[in-house]
Amino acid sequence: NAGVMQNPRHLVRRRGQEARLRCSPMKGHSHVYWYRQLPEEGLKFMVYLQKENIIDESGMPKERFSAEFPKEGPSILRIQQVVRGDSAAYFCASSPRKQGETQYFGPGTRLLVL
Amino acid sequence: DQQVKQNSPSLSVQEGRISILNCDYTNSMFDYFLWYKKYPAEGPTFLISISSIKDKNEDGRFTVFLNKSAKHLSLHIVPSQPGDSAVYFCAATPTNAGKSTFGDGTTLTVKP
Repeated sequence: NAGVMQNPRHLVRRRGQEARLRCSPMKGHSHVYWYRQLPEEGLKFMVYLQKENIIDESGMPKERFSAEFPKEGPSILRIQQVVRGDSAAYFCASSPRKQGETQYFGPGTRLLVL
Repeated sequence: DQQVKQNSPSLSVQEGRISILNCDYTNSMFDYFLWYKKYPAEGPTFLISISSIKDKNEDGRFTVFLNKSAKHLSLHIVPSQPGDSAVYFCAATPTNAGKSTFGDGTTLTVKP
């Protein structure tokens, strides 16, 4: 059973470009969570999605960030018009159900904005 | 307001000794607590969890203790091994919410 997969593992973008981060949850998991880890900080929740639904996006910046988890295919975290402050490690996690369930993390995508 | 705090950014112990990592929380709605271990350039790996109906959960060398009245939990690793050197994150989840709130992590170094 493959774990949570994220790609790309490393992404370099220039200011103003778009970044697309992909996450394929573990087989059988229908809940996906995105977290961001800034340098020297812990993991900060961004968004929680179930298939075709955004359940909680309280941690998402109001502008430039969006997330989706379509019926078919991976979950996508999209950052438009990236700025240097977006440079971070972005982790995706999945769980079979919601609360009270252990979340299994992918290896992360390290975004560097030049 | 940080709802989950790990007040020690780092901890160094000798191989074979006990490592104790601490975590405090403020939100009374949290009722499920987890510890994750993270190596550089990898994602966090689930280590052990505890529900609020328990005060202790043990798995091999790892034991998590929960003191609800003090809103405090701790992770004990005994005996500590050099391979345990990593960043340890405490996380808490409330009922009826999917997201976990993480502490900032404690870097554990186990010296041979």
